[in-house]
Amino acid sequence: GENVEQHPSTLSVQEGDSAVIKCTYSDSASNYFPWYKQELGKRPQLIIDIRSNVGEKKDQRIAVTLNKTAKHFSLHITETQPEDSAVYFCAASLSGSARQLTFGSGTQLTVLP
Amino acid sequence: NAGVTQTPKFQVLKTGQSMTLQCAQDMNHEYMSWYRQDPGMGLRLIHYSVGAGITDQGEVPNGYNVSRSTTEDFPLRLLSAAPSQTSVYFCASTGYGLAGGGEQFFGPGTRLTVL
Repeated sequence: GENVEQHPSTLSVQEGDSAVIKCTYSDSASNYFPWYKQELGKRPQLIIDIRSNVGEKKDQRIAVTLNKTAKHFSLHITETQPEDSAVYFCAASLSGSARQLTFGSGTQLTVLP
Repeated sequence: NAGVTQTPKFQVLKTGQSMTLQCAQDMNHEYMSWYRQDPGMGLRLIHYSVGAGITDQGEVPNGYNVSRSTTEDFPLRLLSAAPSQTSVYFCASTGYGLAGGGEQFFGPGTRLTVL
């Protein structure tokens, strides 16, 4: 089955700096890659996603890039703010949608004021 | 809309006890799933359902049963609880959307401790 590895497990940045979280996947047929943000004690929430026919997607301060050849995708957060502090999860699916997702192990992002 | 709801929020069981975690959604979504979340391991898929009457196993199905008699409800049953099942359990639902699939919505979670 699919395997998703996520790095780093923890990341601390100064407010205003950029943060980058990277994930690699094992199955080249995977075609849907969402990112979720989970605040302490809360449920995961989708922040951005990308499908395999697109190389990059942006939404305000958040962007995701996909390299199908290398089988990796990354989350980029610019101009970080304290409220960006949370655990971020990447995931991958063969279904082309948010079904039967395989998740990475998560990255604890801390934005220092 | 309430979205995805789960009950209970917290539960403590003794080894060998059985219980059912309830999950309901009011978005008329076809696809529902159960995950468990353990520290440092992300979310792992337990079981999923693509519609009423249809269920299938995910990555870690052992020790759990599910059924889907209606579109709205997707209960998860622990047959004989074990300490290894101590975890946070999330139910999620996903509807058909544009381009092959919509957003996955998670419930608030159930924190289960097995002693």
